[in-house]
Parts: sequence; structure tokens; C-alpha cells
Amino acid sequence: EPEVTQTPSHQVTQMGQEVILRCVPISNHLYFYWYRQILGQKVEFLVSFYNNEISEKSEIFDDQFSVERPDGSNFTLKIRSTKLEDSAMYFCASQTSGSLQETQYFGPGTRLLVL
Amino acid sequence: AQSVSQHNHHVILSEAASLELGCNYSYGGTVNLFWYVQYPGQHLQLLLKYFSGDPLVKGIKGFEAEFIKSKFSFNLRKPSVQWSDTAEYFCAVNTGMDTGRRALTFGSGTRLQVQP
Repeated sequence: EPEVTQTPSHQVTQMGQEVILRCVPISNHLYFYWYRQILGQKVEFLVSFYNNEISEKSEIFDDQFSVERPDGSNFTLKIRSTKLEDSAMYFCASQTSGSLQETQYFGPGTRLLVL
Repeated sequence: AQSVSQHNHHVILSEAASLELGCNYSYGGTVNLFWYVQYPGQHLQLLLKYFSGDPLVKGIKGFEAEFIKSKFSFNLRKPSVQWSDTAEYFCAVNTGMDTGRRALTFGSGTRLQVQP
């Protein structure tokens, strides 16, 4: 069964550094998402992406964050200047067509630790 | 904004016991409802979902959930749990039918521990 994959599984970075989290959605999926879960807190929506542009974003997704689909297979989340509070598990998800009745398939997550 | 509450943070059961995990949401309009499960070391997987029709939905691995609109609830049930059901369970909602938003709003999760 096809799965969403994410790399790296763990990343440690220094505050102020840029990080790029990578996701390979399920092929033929067209809608992509990033969520995050700070330790002990709820999974929170960050952004959704369709047709090479952001379709929806939360208030968390400020100018420090950006997403792109650079090559037709990867979907990346960039944090330009990491802060301590960016430490979290970041989940990528993909969906076939964006239909509200379709399942979002999640990847295993990248655990980001900002020191 | 909508929110989702899961009041049971940690549940411990013996094998063969019955399970009911609570989920309540706060949104007065049309909702799509989901239960996801995360087994240790694995990614979030869909257990079941409700969009419309029969409010009792059946999912994988013997799980079911009942949508009670008047109570804003979508509780997850299983008549007899197994050790392999040990996992964290997340309830999620989207309000896209009204708002066009596809983002899922998650509850805080319930950690289920099944003792052999």
C-alpha cells in the first residue's frame, strides 16, 4: 500500500538556523498538508497546498514558514529562522483530490528539536 | 473556531474489556468526523470516518463510532479490546461543507493501554 514518507525522521538544529523538512506524498495525490504536534499538545494544522500554491494556512504559519513542491514529487516545509518553540513533531499528509470526504493520509513525522 | 475535546487522556483496560472513548466537538453546522489511531512508532492511520447517512459507522479492526448530532459527539467503541489495540487515538473534525476548509481540527488524543 502506498505511504507518505518523510525525511529526516529526527532533526536537531540550533536556534536561528534554517531547516527544511521533506515529504514524499502518495503519487497521484494532489492536496498536501503540514501539521505539527508540540510535545503534550494537540496536532495542529499549519498549511495546505494545491496546484502549486497555498490553499489554506493557520495563524501559526507566519513568514518564517514556507512550503513548496520543487520537483513534482517532494513537498517541503522550510522554517527560515528556527525558534525554541518550533520544537515539535511535524506531520505531512496528502489526499487524492481535496474532496472533504476523502481521507488525509499521514506520514510518520519528523521530530524537530531546536536548541 | 471549532474545537475537539477528548476527555479521556489515558485509559487502561484488560484484554476482552469493552472500550468507549469520548469525543465532543464544538461547531453548530455540518461536520465531517474522523478517528485516527497511532500505534507505537507508527504514523497516524484512519480508523473510520463519518460524512452523512447512518450515524453508526464501522471501521477497521472491529471499531465503530456513533455520531450523535444533538450531543455534538462521535464516540469510538470496540466490544472487546486486544493487546494490539494499545495505541493513541485521535478524534478529528473538519467543517468544510460549511466553511470550505479542509484542515482537520484534532482532539488531544487518548492513550489506550491494554493489559494482557
